[in-house]
Amino acid sequence: AQRVTQPEKLLSVFKGAPVELKCNYSYSGSPELFWYVQYSRQRLQLLLRHISRESIKGFTADLNKGETSFHLKKPFAQEEDSAMYYCALSGLDDYKLSFGAGTTVTVRA
Amino acid sequence: GAGVSQSPRYKVAKRGQDVALRCDPISGHVSLFWYQQALGQGPEFLTYFQNEAQLDKSGLPSDRFFAERPEGSVSTLKIQRTQQEDSAVYLCASSLVGRSNQPQHFGDGTRLSIL
Repeated sequence: AQRVTQPEKLLSVFKGAPVELKCNYSYSGSPELFWYVQYSRQRLQLLLRHISRESIKGFTADLNKGETSFHLKKPFAQEEDSAMYYCALSGLDDYKLSFGAGTTVTVRA
Repeated sequence: GAGVSQSPRYKVAKRGQDVALRCDPISGHVSLFWYQQALGQGPEFLTYFQNEAQLDKSGLPSDRFFAERPEGSVSTLKIQRTQQEDSAVYLCASSLVGRSNQPQHFGDGTRLSIL
């Protein structure tokens, strides 16, 4: 069975401060991990995936297989980063996504 | 096109009524997915189509839920004899092919409220 846990429901940071969203997963095979974001009044969209090893909008995430984690980080949060963030998992070459419960991030001026 | 289109955006129904939710995927996308998102939760997988074939319906919560995609493009999710626990946002997503290396593009969802 595959499972994604996001322990923080709410996260509030000041503009310019670092932000880290935690994600832990459980999966017996080789996972592919994603972060999806939903801005206010917009649809859910892909932010980044571990296999691409890229930085999007200043966000990075590293897959740690030993700790089964895929935490999302940004060194300097901006107000436009305020959104709901979902961590998601799929098996390699699989189609089904399993999502965490999401973390609401509020960046205060 | 404009992306995945879902209708209606909001649906209110009385308990026991049947409802039908529509999804129009991105043109050319072979794969189509339905997810259910309860309040305060992440989306949960319901069913998956590759063209017109429903390859996985393991996430459908009961036999009151039925999905189809007869011509391999537009899909309809039907819920019969609705119950209050069916209240949720129903999300549709499409991708070029059903592989994890192909991103899923989501619609705005249909918010279903059962009274």
